[in-house]
Amino acid sequence: AQSVTQLDSQVPVFEEAPVELRCNYSSSVSVYLFWYVQYPNQGLQLLLKYLSGSTLVKGINGFEAEFNKSQTSFHLRKPSVHISDTAEYFCAVRSIISNDYKLSFGAGTTVTVRA
Amino acid sequence: NAGVTQTPKFRVLKTGQSMTLLCAQDMNHEYMYWYRQDPGMGLRLIHYSVGEGTTAKGEVPDGYNVSRLKKQNFLLGLESAAPSQTSVYFCASTHWRGGSDTQYFGPGTRLTVL
Repeated sequence: AQSVTQLDSQVPVFEEAPVELRCNYSSSVSVYLFWYVQYPNQGLQLLLKYLSGSTLVKGINGFEAEFNKSQTSFHLRKPSVHISDTAEYFCAVRSIISNDYKLSFGAGTTVTVRA
Repeated sequence: NAGVTQTPKFRVLKTGQSMTLLCAQDMNHEYMYWYRQDPGMGLRLIHYSVGEGTTAKGEVPDGYNVSRLKKQNFLLGLESAAPSQTSVYFCASTHWRGGSDTQYFGPGTRLTVL
C-alpha cells in the first residue's frame, strides 16, 4: 500500500513570491506521482505527473516538481505566484503494479496568495 | 464534450433518507471512481469500477452502494443517510494504460445530512 504526506496544510504567500509545497510518499514498490489542483468550488484537475525519466517535471501554469527517489519526495514549486493560484493542491501516488487501480491522495495544502 | 458531469450539485437529506448520485462521462473511459472529500483528509476512495458491470470497494465503502450498468454512468447510492456522510462527493474517470493516465474529475456534489 502507498501513503502520501503533505507536510504543510496551509501556505500563505504574497503575489509574485515563490512557493514550494512539500510532498513525501511511502511505498514498497515503484510509483507514479501526481499533483492535482482544486480551485474554489471546482473539481480537481491535473497539474503535472511523474512517470519515469527526467526527475524534473514541468506542468501547467508555470508549476514544476522534482522527484527525489532517495528522499521519497515530490515537491511542487512555482517561482512567482499569482492571485489566481489560490487553490488547494493535492499530491497523489499510484503503484506501477498493473492490477492496482487506485490513487492515494495526501490531505491537501491550501495556498492563499495575497496582493 | 462535457467530460465528467455529476447530478445533483447540492442536496440536503434527513437522517435515514436515501438518495442516488449520478456520474456520467463522455470520454469512453473504462475506469470510474467515487471519492469523498472531507476537510483535512484529502480524497478518500469509496468505490470504483474497472468496466461495465463491475464494481469494487475502496477505502471507505461502508454505507454506500454503487452500480455500473452502462459504461458511461456510475451511480453512488446511500440507502440510509447518516450525518457522518455529510461531505463533498467527487466522481472521476480514466483510461487505463498501465496506471499512468490522468484521472478526470467532475465538479462535485455537496451533500448535507441533518
